[in-house]
Amino acid sequence: QVHLQESGPGLVKPSQTLSLTCTVSGGSVSSRVYYWNWIRQPAGKGLEWIGRIFTTGNTNYNPSLRGRAAISIDTSKNEFSLTLNSVTAADTALYFCARDSGSSHWPDYFDYWGRGTQVIVSS
Amino acid sequence: EIVLTQSPGTLSLSPGDRATLSCRASQTVSTNYLAWYQQKPGQAPRLLISGAFSRAAGVPGRFSGSGSGTDFALTISRLDPEDFAVYICHQYSGAPSTFGQGTRLEI
Repeated sequence: QVHLQESGPGLVKPSQTLSLTCTVSGGSVSSRVYYWNWIRQPAGKGLEWIGRIFTTGNTNYNPSLRGRAAISIDTSKNEFSLTLNSVTAADTALYFCARDSGSSHWPDYFDYWGRGTQVIVSS
Repeated sequence: EIVLTQSPGTLSLSPGDRATLSCRASQTVSTNYLAWYQQKPGQAPRLLISGAFSRAAGVPGRFSGSGSGTDFALTISRLDPEDFAVYICHQYSGAPSTFGQGTRLEI
């Protein structure tokens, strides 16, 4: 069973950079099958896909983030990370990491998710 | 991008009832690339259905997906107390993939 666990600061000041890490167990981020994703959910709103990364470092991002997001991968620690710069109150959300299904189609659906970590942007 | 609209926003039913949740897309979801997830507070979202119809491993048979084109549905044939949660549809036909707002299924 693949398990994903998000971690990071729960409070970030406006204009600063949000940094989160997803630690994977029961599976490997070095897999050449799956992409590893970040998804967020503002309170009372729907989920929004942020971006994804492959073990090679190949990434895709949601254009809605206007270039503010960056995802990296650390195969030695079996984890991947999200940084989001120039945050505002609109970035306040529950942030999830997830694994996609490994199909050859993009976009893809997500078969394993973490429980999410709440991030509040406030001074 | 494809906008997904779920209805109703909240559905109040009792254990043993049949639940039908709707997901309507603003554009055709090609090849039925539509998934359903169950979300409970403090838990990881759980994949229920992919490809509009295919149940994920371990998902009880009372859950079924249907539909095509722009109209999809998730049906729970006989509600179990553990089924009361939020259900979210997700299209992965066009990039970026997008999600519905969710339907809250309450007792």
